[in-house]
Amino acid sequence: GENVEQHPSTLSVQEGDSAVIKCTYSDSASNYFPWYKQELGKRPQLIIDIRSNVGEKKDQRIAVTLNKTAKHFSLHITETQPEDSAVYFCAASDPTGGFKTIFGAGTRLFVKA
Amino acid sequence: DVKVTQSSRYLVKRTGEKVFLECVQDMDHENMFWYRQDPGLGLRLIYFSYDVKMKEKGDIPEGYSVSREKKERFSLILESASTNQTSMYLCASSNDRTNEKLFFGSGTQLSVL
Repeated sequence: GENVEQHPSTLSVQEGDSAVIKCTYSDSASNYFPWYKQELGKRPQLIIDIRSNVGEKKDQRIAVTLNKTAKHFSLHITETQPEDSAVYFCAASDPTGGFKTIFGAGTRLFVKA
Repeated sequence: DVKVTQSSRYLVKRTGEKVFLECVQDMDHENMFWYRQDPGLGLRLIYFSYDVKMKEKGDIPEGYSVSREKKERFSLILESASTNQTSMYLCASSNDRTNEKLFFGSGTQLSVL
């Protein structure tokens, strides 16, 4: 089955700097790669996603890139703000393995003011 | 907006008890999921269902079962709770066959003593 690895587990940046979180996946059949943000005490919420037929997608200060050959994808947050502090999860959806989404272990991002 | 409701926010049970965690969604979603969230391990899939009375094992089904008698309701059952099942349990739903965006409930923090 699918396995998703995520790095780093913790990331601390100064306000205004950029943050990058990287993930790798194992199953080449996976074709949908969402990113979820979980603020302290709250439920995970989708912030951006990318499909395997696209190499990059951007939404204001966040962007995601996908390298299908290398089976890795990354989340980029520019001009970080204190409200970006949260746990971020990458995930991969494997349609051949049923209707399931497999998550990485998460990255705790701290943005210092 | 989609609402996924989990019946309890906090639950304390004793070892050996039978535990029911309930989840209801109000958007007629076909797919429903149970994950457990543990620090450093991310979200791990326990069971999922893509139709009434249908269920599929996720990555960590041991010690759990599920029930989906109605489309809007997906129950997670711990037949005989053990201390290693102390965790945050998150229910999620999604609305199409490609299993894309997940909508999460607020979670149930279960403590087994």
